[in-house]
Amino acid sequence: DGGITQSPKYLFRKEGQNVTLSCEQNLNHDAMYWYRQDPGQGLRLIYYSQIVNDFQKGDIAEGYSVSREKKESFPLTVTSAQKNPTAFYLCASSPLGGLDSPLHFGNGTRLTVT
Amino acid sequence: QKEVEQNSGPLSVPEGAIASLNCTYSDRGSQSFFWYRQYSGKSPELIMSIYSNGDKEDGRFTAQLNKASQYVSLLIRDSQPSDSATYLCAVTGQAGTALIFGKGTTLSVSS
Repeated sequence: DGGITQSPKYLFRKEGQNVTLSCEQNLNHDAMYWYRQDPGQGLRLIYYSQIVNDFQKGDIAEGYSVSREKKESFPLTVTSAQKNPTAFYLCASSPLGGLDSPLHFGNGTRLTVT
Repeated sequence: QKEVEQNSGPLSVPEGAIASLNCTYSDRGSQSFFWYRQYSGKSPELIMSIYSNGDKEDGRFTAQLNKASQYVSLLIRDSQPSDSATYLCAVTGQAGTALIFGKGTTLSVSS
């Protein structure tokens, strides 16, 4: 079955540590995205990528980094510079590379930093 | 700053009633509009997309778009307890920017 796989589902880290969230898709989608969701909040865009080896900052990119070395993979690193990293992180992809295409979401990673 | 506004709710309706969810957006050039349903602790799932003015129906769901008023709505007919969730409105910008999401409206359907 095609889909988007995020791992792990739950992640716990100590403050000051970098952590990398995995996102893999087998939908052959061109565009991939990372969103962050806090309780009672909508989704806020962190980074997106429309093509391999290229990505753009979203609204809240500070303290995060990404790479897009393969079409299928778009890992997100939460660095120690991110002031409030505890959140629900959602990876998504869309076909055609068009930013106006509907998004398909993974199941999310819930990150807790203490 | 482009914005998408939704009433956070909760919106409470009895089983079998029509639920009406509303969304306004600030970018007059927005071209694509989506409704996502998100159950507690889960990821959003697409339930409707609409691109032109008017109504679009899919089963019990109807999306309505009025670009002049910068308003998009979702009607859920014959509401079921399983419809209880948060509904997110998402909009793109004129230049094809990535989707901007509203904060969502929480719907509660009582049996």
